[in-house]
Amino acid sequence: GENVEQHPSTLSVQEGDSAVIKCTYSDSASNYFPWYKQELGKGPQLIIDIRSNVGEKKDQRIAVTLNKTAKHFSLHITETQPEDSAVYFCAAKAHYGQNFVFGPGTRLSVLP
Amino acid sequence: DSGVTQTPKHLITATGQRVTLRCSPRSGDLSVYWYQQSLDQGLQFLIQYYNGEERAKGNILERFSAQQFPDLHSELNLSSLELGDSALYFCASSGGTGSYEQYFGPGTRLTVT
Repeated sequence: GENVEQHPSTLSVQEGDSAVIKCTYSDSASNYFPWYKQELGKGPQLIIDIRSNVGEKKDQRIAVTLNKTAKHFSLHITETQPEDSAVYFCAAKAHYGQNFVFGPGTRLSVLP
Repeated sequence: DSGVTQTPKHLITATGQRVTLRCSPRSGDLSVYWYQQSLDQGLQFLIQYYNGEERAKGNILERFSAQQFPDLHSELNLSSLELGDSALYFCASSGGTGSYEQYFGPGTRLTVT
């Protein structure tokens, strides 16, 4: 089955700097890759996603890139702000269904 | 606010007991997914229902069961509870075929003592 790895597990950046979180997946047939932000005491919130027929997608300060050949995708956050501090999860949609396999998460801290 | 609601927010119960968690999907969404989030296992997919029928099963224990009702709300039943079942339980919903985005509810925190 699908396996998703995520790095780093923790990341601290200064406010205004960029943050990059990387994920790799194992099933080459996976075709959808969402990113979720989870704040303390809340459910995961979908922040951006990408389908396998697209290499890059951007939404304001957030972008996701996908390299299907290498089976990895990355989340890029520019001009980080303290409210970006949270745990971020990547996921891959298993090709045989619609459920997701999640990475273990990255705790991002943006220091003022 | 994702539009997905879950009740109760917190649940404390003893080992061996049975509990029911409830989820209402976003208006118009036909699919409901249940996930378990624990510190050591991360977010694990349990089960999916689509328009009242079971669609996919993940790492769901035999002591756990779920159903989706005609009004599309879903319930997750956990029985013979063990200490290790303490976790956050999330439900997510998505639209019809070809709609991959899943929107998560706020979760139910289950504590088994």
